[in-house]
Amino acid sequence: KAGVTQTPRYLIKTRGQQVTLSCSPISGHRSVSWYQQTPGQGLQFLFEYFSETQRNKGNFPGRFSGRQFSNSRSEMNVSTLELGDSALYLCASSYGGWSGNTIYFGEGSWLTVV
Amino acid sequence: DAKTTQPTSMDCAEGRAANLPCNHSTISGNEYVYWYRQIHSQGPQYIIHGLKNNETNEMASLIITEDRKSSTLILPHATLRDTAVYYCIVRVPHGSSNTGKLIFGQGTTLQVKP
Repeated sequence: KAGVTQTPRYLIKTRGQQVTLSCSPISGHRSVSWYQQTPGQGLQFLFEYFSETQRNKGNFPGRFSGRQFSNSRSEMNVSTLELGDSALYLCASSYGGWSGNTIYFGEGSWLTVV
Repeated sequence: DAKTTQPTSMDCAEGRAANLPCNHSTISGNEYVYWYRQIHSQGPQYIIHGLKNNETNEMASLIITEDRKSSTLILPHATLRDTAVYYCIVRVPHGSSNTGKLIFGQGTTLQVKP
């Protein structure tokens, strides 16, 4: 069974640009969540989607947005990139997002903003 | 904020058991304890989780105290490849709007030495 797949794995963007990251969850999983990891802040929750609806949102500015498609695939978008957005962005999926359903992570997308 | 407390770092000799403690004194009766690890530059890897009973799988054992205020992750025969940051996470219960969200602390850096 394929794991959580994230694309692209590495990318470099210029300040002010926008970026879209893609995530394909494990087959059958309906909950997809996104996390940002930086050396200073550690792993922080961005948002979670379940059945195309945002169910939970972390404390990030509106420049960070996401969506989920009917096939459970998800994208996240960061607009007007800032240097501080340089981070590892992780996608995770679970069957239902309930507390007994294990959450599995992808390998992440490394974003560098210059 | 993370609801767990872990030592910042630990060392373990290769081939010996690694015992990683976690304090979660404010845990509620229906909150799960999850363990993940993250090897540098990779996505977090699920290890094990439990609610009340001790759990064992092919990777590790999880010992939860009777009062559930602390737990220990045991890697029975640590190898150099087990060197990683280990995160202990208390996950909010089923039915909560936050159940799909994991709150990561700083974790324990385990260094397995030859």
